[in-house]
Amino acid sequence: DGGITQSPKYLFRKEGQNVTLSCEQNLNHDAMYWYRQDPGQGLRLIYYSQIVNDFQKGDIAEGYSVSREKKESFPLTVTSAQKNPTAFYLCASGQAGQETQYFGPGTRLLVL
Amino acid sequence: GENVEQHPSTLSVQEGDSAVIKCTYSDSASNYFPWYKQELGKRPQLIIDIRSNVGEKKDQRIAVTLNKTAKHFSLHITETQPEDSAVYFCAASKRNNRLAFGKGNQVVVIP
Repeated sequence: DGGITQSPKYLFRKEGQNVTLSCEQNLNHDAMYWYRQDPGQGLRLIYYSQIVNDFQKGDIAEGYSVSREKKESFPLTVTSAQKNPTAFYLCASGQAGQETQYFGPGTRLLVL
Repeated sequence: GENVEQHPSTLSVQEGDSAVIKCTYSDSASNYFPWYKQELGKRPQLIIDIRSNVGEKKDQRIAVTLNKTAKHFSLHITETQPEDSAVYFCAASKRNNRLAFGKGNQVVVIP
């Protein structure tokens, strides 16, 4: 999982602002995922993508958007419609047809 | 969808003792069960996984057992050490499907 990077490590969002979290992988994985983690909670799936130019909503997609224009990149935008964005955001990737997922180091998003 | 529950939420053990964390799942079609370890502020790291055609798997001090009939699987850590202190997440998945995660167990190893 050292081949998955996320940036920035910390991100501050102002009211009404859209922010974009970066996720890049050099593992040649087809599938990529975004999770949100709140204190004392498990990992909740926001969006996932099994192949370039295609993605599906997870369990908590409202207020978020993604794109998958390149195999190695899966950026997540937290829009102003997400009213409670403060959380730890984790990106993961895995081989197509394989359930195993490997996580990036995470981005902690805070609201000013 | 799949529902995964973990018990207990917090587990304290004396260094050198064993720790056991149990997860239950709801979908009998699930066939892949990984365990992740997450240290404070870090990424979850895969420590062991098991597929439904196997009842037990070991890797040094950790092992996972699966009971498909009862739909539960457990993580066993023997000879616990302070560096085993972390949050452990279990998950379940059907082939080519998403992982459903439990809420995590906080394991505290007391020196």
